[in-house]
Amino acid sequence: EDQVTQSPEALRLQEGESSSLNCSYTVSGLRGLFWYRQDPGKGPEFLFTLYSAGEEKEKERLKATLTKKESFLHITAPKPEDSATYLCAVQAGGAQKLVFGQGTRLTINP
Amino acid sequence: DTAVSQTPKYLVTQMGNDKSIKCEQNLGHDTMYWYKQDSKKFLKIMFSYNNKELIINETVPNRFSPKSPDKAHLNLHINSLELGDSAVYFCASSQGGTGGKFRAYNEQFFGPGTRLTVL
Repeated sequence: EDQVTQSPEALRLQEGESSSLNCSYTVSGLRGLFWYRQDPGKGPEFLFTLYSAGEEKEKERLKATLTKKESFLHITAPKPEDSATYLCAVQAGGAQKLVFGQGTRLTINP
Repeated sequence: DTAVSQTPKYLVTQMGNDKSIKCEQNLGHDTMYWYKQDSKKFLKIMFSYNNKELIINETVPNRFSPKSPDKAHLNLHINSLELGDSAVYFCASSQGGTGGKFRAYNEQFFGPGTRLTVL
């Protein structure tokens, strides 16, 4: 069965303090790994898709990387507005469904 | 605004009632989904429709019945509501198709969610 595990569950940083969120996955035939951001009371907002090991994507202070077993979401010099829950999901085999991890709740203190 | 929209935003009801949640997308996508997010924030797929045809039906009680009148709409009807049905329900859409050939089509866009509380 496809599995996605995110760590840590919660992370508290000071503004400007860079860090990384981890997403480990076990799937049969990865078709894509997705990162989403979810603010309280809202739906997940699409950030990135990564398709193959070695691929990297960047958006503002966020950079996502992918290996054969895990993905990292690096956040550089974060600001309080980056506070949110970050969700990782995989799409595998012939299925179109996304299998999500439990998320990392990120808090950036000013 | 191009988006995925859901109604209602909040739904509070008694055990045993029947209720519906509606979803509409104006992104021109042909695949739509229902996900359930439980109290631990885990998002789990329930159903998916591609061009009005059911393509994913996870292990969901028969009390849940999705209906897609056209490819822009996907509704969720729930019969005989139970306490355990309390959750946030999200609708999503993607360009769909076979997915394998068109990588960008795999990206799913989510609605704002419907918080269902069963008393």
